[in-house]
Amino acid sequence: DGGITQSPKYLFRKEGQNVTLSCEQNLNHDAMYWYRQDPGQGLRLIYYSQIVNDFQKGDIAEGYSVSREKKESFPLTVTSAQKNPTAFYLCASRRGTGELFFGEGSRLTVL
Amino acid sequence: AQSVTQPDIHITVSEGASLELRCNYSYGATPYLFWYVQSPGQGLQLLLKYFSGDTLVQGIKGFEAEFKRSQSSFNLRKPSVHWSDAAEYFCAVGRGGADGLTFGKGTHLIIQP
Repeated sequence: DGGITQSPKYLFRKEGQNVTLSCEQNLNHDAMYWYRQDPGQGLRLIYYSQIVNDFQKGDIAEGYSVSREKKESFPLTVTSAQKNPTAFYLCASRRGTGELFFGEGSRLTVL
Repeated sequence: AQSVTQPDIHITVSEGASLELRCNYSYGATPYLFWYVQSPGQGLQLLLKYFSGDTLVQGIKGFEAEFKRSQSSFNLRKPSVHWSDAAEYFCAVGRGGADGLTFGKGTHLIIQP
């Protein structure tokens, strides 16, 4: 079945560490997205990528980095510069008609 | 700039009763509109979408939504809710562009037995 796979589902990080969240899709979609979700805040866009080797900052990109070396993969790195990284992170890809398909999410907790 | 407002943070409905979740949007052109549902600790699942044409759209799980351009609204409805409908519901707006969708802050639906 086609879909989006995020890993790990749960991740703990010590302050000062970088961590990378994985996102893989087999839907053959060109565009991929990372959103951050906090309670009562909805979803906020971190980064997005339309094609391989190209990506753009979203509304809250500070403290995050991404890469897009393959169409199927769009990993997100939460750097030590992100002051409040504890959150639920959602990866999505976009169908040509505009709707987004989401992975199951990764919950990051800073210890 | 586009925006989405979901006025109700929480809604409590008795099982078997009807449901309406409100969504208002601000967008410069005719928008694409979406409703998503999220169970705790899970990703978002698409319930329904509106692109053009008939303003009443049907979705999965017995949900429907009506687009009202004059009111800039896209409210979600269900005639009779089930306990399994308890979840977080998000309205979203976009235009199919590369920058994705703008989401509302969500409405938490609680079902009373």
